[in-house]
Amino acid sequence: DGGITQSPKYLFRKEGQNVTLSCEQNLNHDAMYWYRQDPGQGLRLIYYSQIVNDFQKGDIAEGYSVSREKKESFPLTVTSAQKNPTAFYLCASSVASGTPYNEQFFGPGTRLTVL
Amino acid sequence: AQSVAQPEDQVNVAEGNPLTVKCTYSVSGNPYLFWYVQYPNRGLQFLLKYITGDNLVKGSYGFEAEFNKSQTSFHLKKPSALVSDSALYFCAVRQTTSGTYKYIFGTGTRLKVLA
Repeated sequence: DGGITQSPKYLFRKEGQNVTLSCEQNLNHDAMYWYRQDPGQGLRLIYYSQIVNDFQKGDIAEGYSVSREKKESFPLTVTSAQKNPTAFYLCASSVASGTPYNEQFFGPGTRLTVL
Repeated sequence: AQSVAQPEDQVNVAEGNPLTVKCTYSVSGNPYLFWYVQYPNRGLQFLLKYITGDNLVKGSYGFEAEFNKSQTSFHLKKPSALVSDSALYFCAVRQTTSGTYKYIFGTGTRLKVLA
């Protein structure tokens, strides 16, 4: 899983709660990403950040928020506005300059379950 | 719009037989294509990528991929499958919108290698 860590591995949320998923990388990558994985739907992009203090919405940003205060950290908050948050969440990072064919490195994932 | 398609949800192959996992793409400009593998409850691991040049790309764990521009395909191959190759495989393309470092993933193909 490279130099990316995600915590916790499993997370349980009650209705109406906000929860924050941690993602840290020591690869010195500028770009970081959050994906949601549901069975049969592949990976869907929630948010991404190409540089510190800047981030962009992905395809399914509603009900989620992020921050990028440090290069190595990109936490994701799942808010109570996200009505169906049960899923596997993956964080990734990549080089964001120079060549356009840099691969992504993925963390081990966090499985979020709503009780 | 740029996209990738994985037409098979599941591929079954006998151990020792060659395997192929299919991927087709639609991009404007040069395609930057990737294959990743995911084992249960883990993050994605990078296998290989196509940049330009050789149409046969060699990657990790004995995998290779054949790029075919006329058929807009990037199929993953292995000459002799192992039971341990059983996993979920994703094809991805890097979106080439200026200044954007986003990646688009297919829906995944589950490979099952039978002993």
